Amino acid sequence: EPEVTQTPSHQVTQMGQEVILRCVPISNHLYFYWYRQILGQKVEFLVSFYNNEISEKSEIFDDQFSVERPDGSNFTLKIRSTKLEDSAMYFCASRLEGPLSGANVLTFGAGSRLTVL
Amino acid sequence: AQKVTQAQTEISVVEKEDVTLDCVYETRDTTYYLFWYKQPPSGELVFLIRRNSFDEQNEISGRYSWNFQKSTSSFNFTITASQVVDSAVYFCALSEEMDSSYKLIFGSGTRLLVRP
Repeated sequence: EPEVTQTPSHQVTQMGQEVILRCVPISNHLYFYWYRQILGQKVEFLVSFYNNEISEKSEIFDDQFSVERPDGSNFTLKIRSTKLEDSAMYFCASRLEGPLSGANVLTFGAGSRLTVL
Repeated sequence: AQKVTQAQTEISVVEKEDVTLDCVYETRDTTYYLFWYKQPPSGELVFLIRRNSFDEQNEISGRYSWNFQKSTSSFNFTITASQVVDSAVYFCALSEEMDSSYKLIFGSGTRLLVRP
């Protein structure tokens, strides 16, 4: 069964460092997402990406965050200067496009745990 | 405004008990979709079920069943004869057709602990 793959599974970084989290969505999916889950809390929407541009971003997704689809397969989330409060699990997800795209299941990767010291 | 509410933060049951996880949603869209995801201790998000707003038929899959009621904006999830392996956090989520990004909006989750 096709899956969304994320790397790294766990990254530890120092405050102020740049971090790049990588995702390979399912190949025929056209909607891509990043979500964040602070330990023990809800899964929060960060950003959606469609047709090579951001279609929506949440208030969490400030200027420190950026996303890119550099080569048609990878989908990356960059945090420019990490803060302690960026420590969380980051989930990548993708969705198929269709006549009723909202009906299509969001398939999530296993997550990348980011620890900022 | 909270679009998906899971009022039960944590539920603890003994194995073989039935348990119902509540989910109440809010939307102005006439076409929307409701989902349940399971997050086991290993951390991944596992899709369980999707229900369309125009299909109120309840669904049963083995020990799992879902009760969708538009009149009360609820989409509850029942596990019959619970097992220890059911221990996880369960998230209810909403996707709206008028949302051009088709993002999922999650509830805060219900942690289910099934004790042997």
